[in-house]
Amino acid sequence: DTEVTQTPKHLVMGMTNKKSLKCEQHMGHRAMYWYKQKAKKPPELMFVYSYEKLSINESVPSRFSPECPNSSLLNLHLHALQPEDSALYLCASSQPSYEQYFGPGTRLTVT
Amino acid sequence: QKEVEQNSGPLSVPEGAIASLNCTYSDRVSQSFFWYRQYSGKSPELIMSIYSNGDKEDGRFTAQLNKASQYVSLLIRDSQPSDSATYLCAVNKARNDMRFGAGTRLTVKP
Repeated sequence: DTEVTQTPKHLVMGMTNKKSLKCEQHMGHRAMYWYKQKAKKPPELMFVYSYEKLSINESVPSRFSPECPNSSLLNLHLHALQPEDSALYLCASSQPSYEQYFGPGTRLTVT
Repeated sequence: QKEVEQNSGPLSVPEGAIASLNCTYSDRVSQSFFWYRQYSGKSPELIMSIYSNGDKEDGRFTAQLNKASQYVSLLIRDSQPSDSATYLCAVNKARNDMRFGAGTRLTVKP
């Protein structure tokens, strides 16, 4: 089973709202990732957790706050976002340094 | 120089033909290489992974890696209309730091 699940599928939020994106995998993977993808562009790496510790933060603005409560779960907390943050947010998981499996994504619209 | 470069296309091939997709990367220490397929509005789906020089075949797909030339390719034999998608080359630089190329849009015409 190579399934990564993400909730919600769609999210519309105002610039003053606080919301969270959730990701879950049950493949025993020890690395989890957040990517942002704008239309007609490739995914851009935001954060990497390896063995539940943040190992890469690609200079992402602090209005995005990742959290890895355990090896199966990954959250992305959103606060005071801007309209340009509207995008598809993808979660992925892998064994460290091996192929990554992506979830279906959360399509975020900031109004 | 971009870390991972692909021809953006679009690449158009007739049904049944071979589609050839190419990718170059800049970081010589990169160790693992992947091809993903992405349909419009969907998330990337892993097609192939390759870790050592040479060819790797899986069904209609063959990935080729040449580390000396910093080059990765994907061949799709007997192309089908359902293969029409954007193909993303991805390179794992180190410590799970994966970078994508811009993607090549492939159209297979019936």
